[in-house]
Amino acid sequence: GIQVEQSPPDLILQEGANSTLRCNFSDSVNNLQWFHQNPWGQLINLFYIPSGTKQNGRLSATTVATERYSLLYISSSQTTDSGVYFCAVEVDSGYALNFGKGTSLLVTP
Amino acid sequence: DGGITQSPKYLFRKEGQNVTLSCEQNLNHDAMYWYRQDPGQGLRLIYYSQIVNDFQKGDIAEGYSVSREKKESFPLTVTSAQKNPTAFYLCASSNRAAEKLFFGSGTQLSVL
Repeated sequence: GIQVEQSPPDLILQEGANSTLRCNFSDSVNNLQWFHQNPWGQLINLFYIPSGTKQNGRLSATTVATERYSLLYISSSQTTDSGVYFCAVEVDSGYALNFGKGTSLLVTP
Repeated sequence: DGGITQSPKYLFRKEGQNVTLSCEQNLNHDAMYWYRQDPGQGLRLIYYSQIVNDFQKGDIAEGYSVSREKKESFPLTVTSAQKNPTAFYLCASSNRAAEKLFFGSGTQLSVL
């Protein structure tokens, strides 16, 4: 099956810093999504981004499908950004998302 | 408010017992999913359903069963055949298969 690799696995930032999270995948994909899981376990969909660039406030994402990677940018980080960020991809239409192991982010005051 | 409701939040299973996790959505979504999350790991797909009365096995279906009798409901049964059931279980739904996914708040299952 498809391999989804996220880096770095862990990241500690001071409040106000910027960061870039990376997702590499081993095959062509129809669908790519980024999620944030808060410390209480709730997963929130950040972006549906099979290709191109999207922005939502301090977060933006870029997927370069031809080179099989996606990047999630977090600017001016806040303590509420802490949690785990997951990248998930779909290979075959009508199947389901395959998740990476996530990047665990801690933002300190 | 529209959303996905999972219950219970915490569940304990005795050895040899079957337990059922509830998942209800009022988003009018066709597709529903069950994922398992172990500590420090990503999510692994157990079962998914794209339409009522139809469902498919995911990567780790052994020891689990599901039903999809109503569009809004997709319960997951963890059977006694699942020897390592302790995990965080997440239900999700989407308008069409693997379109933007929305998740419930999860059920933590532990073995007594």
